[in-house]
Amino acid sequence: KAGVTQTPRYLIKTRGQQVTLSCSPISGHRSVSWYQQTPGQGLQFLFEYFSETQRNKGNFPGRFSGRQFSNSRSEMNVSTLELGDSALYLCASSSPDKYTDTQYFGPGTRLTVL
Amino acid sequence: AQTVTQSQPEMSVQEAETVTLSCTYDTSESNYYLFWYKQPPSRQMILVIRQEAYKQQNATENRFSVNFQKAAKSFSLKISDSQLGDTAMYFCAFMKGSGGGADGLTFGKGTHLIIQP
Repeated sequence: KAGVTQTPRYLIKTRGQQVTLSCSPISGHRSVSWYQQTPGQGLQFLFEYFSETQRNKGNFPGRFSGRQFSNSRSEMNVSTLELGDSALYLCASSSPDKYTDTQYFGPGTRLTVL
Repeated sequence: AQTVTQSQPEMSVQEAETVTLSCTYDTSESNYYLFWYKQPPSRQMILVIRQEAYKQQNATENRFSVNFQKAAKSFSLKISDSQLGDTAMYFCAFMKGSGGGADGLTFGKGTHLIIQP
C-alpha cells in the first residue's frame, strides 16, 4: 500500500504571496492532519479533516486554511506569507474507523519564505 | 491541555549498546495513546511504537520497547542493540483517546540520538 504523499516537496515564496500544499493519504484513510515543524516551536498541530469536514484547528491565525476533497486528498493554504511561516509542513493520515488512530506521516513540504 | 516533555535534547551511544530515551506527559484524560516517532535526516516521520493507556503490558516492536508508567505519567523508549540507522530525532507524542484523533498529536521537543560506530 502506498504511503502518504505530499507535493510539492520544496517551495520558495516571497512575503505576501500565498501557497497551496497538497497531501494524498494512504488509500482507505479518511482523516488527514497537518502539522508545522520549526526549530523554535517544534511540531505544532494545524488542523484535522475527516470526511471533508474540519473537526479541529490548532492555535494558528486565519491565514492558515485547508480543505479536504471527497477522495480524502487534502490541501492547505497559507495566505499573505510571512517570514515566520518558513517551516516543514507535514501531513499525516489515519483511519479513525479502525481501533487506533495511529497517524502515518508523509515526507513533508519544505516552505521557505524570503 | 496536554504537555509532553523530553528532558534529553541529545544522546550519544556506541553501536550495539542499549539506550533509553525519557518522556513524561501531563494530562487529565483517562483514555489516550502514546507514541514514539523517529525522524531521520531525511525528515520523514516514522512510527516506532505505540501504547494504549488502558493496556498495562508494555508495547514492544523488535529492538524497541517502552516502559509505560501510567501513575507516574512516564513513557520511556528503550532501544536494544542499537544500530547506525537508529541515528535520528526521536519524538514522544500524545493523543487523546476520544474524538477520533481530531485533536491531533501533541509532541515533545525531541531527543537527538546519535549512534557512534
